[in-house]
This record gives sequence, structure tokens and C-alpha cells, in this order.
Amino acid sequence: NAGVTQTPKFQVLKTGQSMTLQCAQDMNHNSMYWYRQDPGMGLRLIYYSASEGTTDKGEVPNGYNVSRLNKREFSLRLESAAPSQTSVYFCASSGYDRVEAFFGQGTRLTVV
Amino acid sequence: AQRVTQPEKLLSVFKGAPVELKCNYSYSGSPELFWYVQYSRQRLQLLLRHISRESIKGFTADLNKGETSFHLKKPFAQEEDSAMYYCALKGGTSYGKLTFGQGTILTVHP
Repeated sequence: NAGVTQTPKFQVLKTGQSMTLQCAQDMNHNSMYWYRQDPGMGLRLIYYSASEGTTDKGEVPNGYNVSRLNKREFSLRLESAAPSQTSVYFCASSGYDRVEAFFGQGTRLTVV
Repeated sequence: AQRVTQPEKLLSVFKGAPVELKCNYSYSGSPELFWYVQYSRQRLQLLLRHISRESIKGFTADLNKGETSFHLKKPFAQEEDSAMYYCALKGGTSYGKLTFGQGTILTVHP
């Protein structure tokens, strides 16, 4: 059972470069989320998609864009990476009851 | 606005000792509270939620609305409990969005 799969696992970018983080879930979940994890800050919500076809900003959306490609996939794009975006990024999904969130293994991104 | 505070960044105990990880929250409505755990090299996973009032791996947590707290407790810590623990809050109409605390790294020494 794959659950939530994120690619890539590691990435190093130069300032100003762009990239897309991919996320896919195979649990037929309606809702998907992108969080970033920083030391001393916990996890903070970047964007979420309550259902297929909808996306909304979270707590820290600046510098990011998202696409809910279909029910399974939710991608996060950095158009012009900045060192402040160095972080570990987690994708998560939850079912119709939205009780438990299931997380991917994370993407460790470094922007130099 | 909703907020979750975990006052301890690091917590160290010896095997067999009791452990309590503190969590305080602020939310104007009726929140759902959760504890998530991240073991080394594993993904973040749900440990327990206040609604179910269950004990998982010997851990319990009681929601105290008067003190706005949801502390995680275990009477006898084990080495395999060493991990990062996050307290999280979900508001009533939040579409499943979670607000996390800063996290507490628990280390259980042999």
C-alpha cells in the first residue's frame, strides 16, 4: 500500500530556479494538503485542496502555487526559489470525514 | 485565530520513567485535538485523537477545555518511544486543515 507518495525525496536548487514537487495518493481521498516543516516552527500549511477542482491558501502561501491535477495528484510549484524556502515539504491527504491525515515521506529542499 | 503551543522543544527521560508532553491550544470553538508522531526515518503518523479517548502504545491524552490543554502522557517510557511528537488542532469547518505545534523531541535513555 503506497498511501501518499512524494517526488523527489531530495532536491538542491539555486536561487531563482523553479521546480515542482509532486504528490499522489491512492486512497481515494478528497482533500489534500501541502505543509512545510521548519525547526522550531512545526508544520505550517502552505496550500490545500478540499476537493478535486478547488485549491485555497493556507498560512504561508507566498512564493508557491499549486495544482490539483485530478483526485489523486496535488503538485506544489516554486516559480523562483529563495533560500527562505529551504525546508522539508510534506504532502498529506484525508478522506471524506477529514479525521486522520496521511502524510507522505517528505521532500527535503535546499535553496542555495 | 487558532494556535497550538508545545512549550518543550526537547524532553529527555530514562526508560521506565513517566513522561508528559505538554500541549496548550487557543481556539474559540470546539476543536478536535490530535497527537502525531514521527519516528526516525518514518513518515508522520497519527498517534491518537481526543474524540476516541483511546490508549495507543500506552499513551493517553485528555482534553481539558478549562485549561485548554491536551497533554500526552505515558506512565512508563520505552526506548522505542523516542521520536518527534506534534500536537495538532482541527477547527470545526477547516476542511481537515491542521494547525500544528512546534513539536517536542522525546528521547528515552536506556
